[in-house]
Amino acid sequence: GQQLNQSPQSMFIQEGEDVSMNCTSSSIFNTWLWYKQDPGEGPVLLIALYKAGELTSNGRLTAQFGITRKDSFLNISASIPSDVGIYFCAGHQLGGPDTGNQFYFGTGTSLTVIP
Amino acid sequence: DGGITQSPKYLFRKEGQNVTLSCEQNLNHDAMYWYRQDPGQGLRLIYYSQIVNDFQKGDIAEGYSVSREKKESFPLTVTSAQKNPTAFYLCASSAQAGVMETQYFGPGTRLLVL
Repeated sequence: GQQLNQSPQSMFIQEGEDVSMNCTSSSIFNTWLWYKQDPGEGPVLLIALYKAGELTSNGRLTAQFGITRKDSFLNISASIPSDVGIYFCAGHQLGGPDTGNQFYFGTGTSLTVIP
Repeated sequence: DGGITQSPKYLFRKEGQNVTLSCEQNLNHDAMYWYRQDPGQGLRLIYYSQIVNDFQKGDIAEGYSVSREKKESFPLTVTSAQKNPTAFYLCASSAQAGVMETQYFGPGTRLLVL
């Protein structure tokens, strides 16, 4: 299946710095989703985006659905130690009656916050 | 609390043994999914089900089997035919809401081969 291009692969930042990561695709998506995954745990949904151009915030997190519907970015402002983890994007496409909805995932951005 | 539960958290498999991973959701979602996660790799789809009594193979279905007898349950069996089963397995569900679709994940099961 299709895999999304997510960058950067890893980031090492000082506490208090802002973080930006993005995902791109060769296909158009109906929905962009951003998740955070802690070691040994399941991914937790952070932000869901449903319209091209949409900008949505969740606390210190802000994400945007690209106008071309082929990309999305996630920003974290004023990072704190508990932001450490792997962040990954997912795109959703409507499937046909035989295939159903399809979700595609980025390979993740590993974030390390140095106190 | 609505959500997805997976059990057990850790599972050990002996050579030649079939093991079954449990996934239950109380979100009233129609669609359920199984993914495999390996270190440094993205999520890979094993099987998915859009509705009770129906399921389709994903990208890496070989060596796995599923059933969907109830809306809330989607167990995954890792058979002895799966030669490299050590991985983190994630179950997910979505409402099949059309364009505005969101997928939620369970806490995962780590499978280790003895």
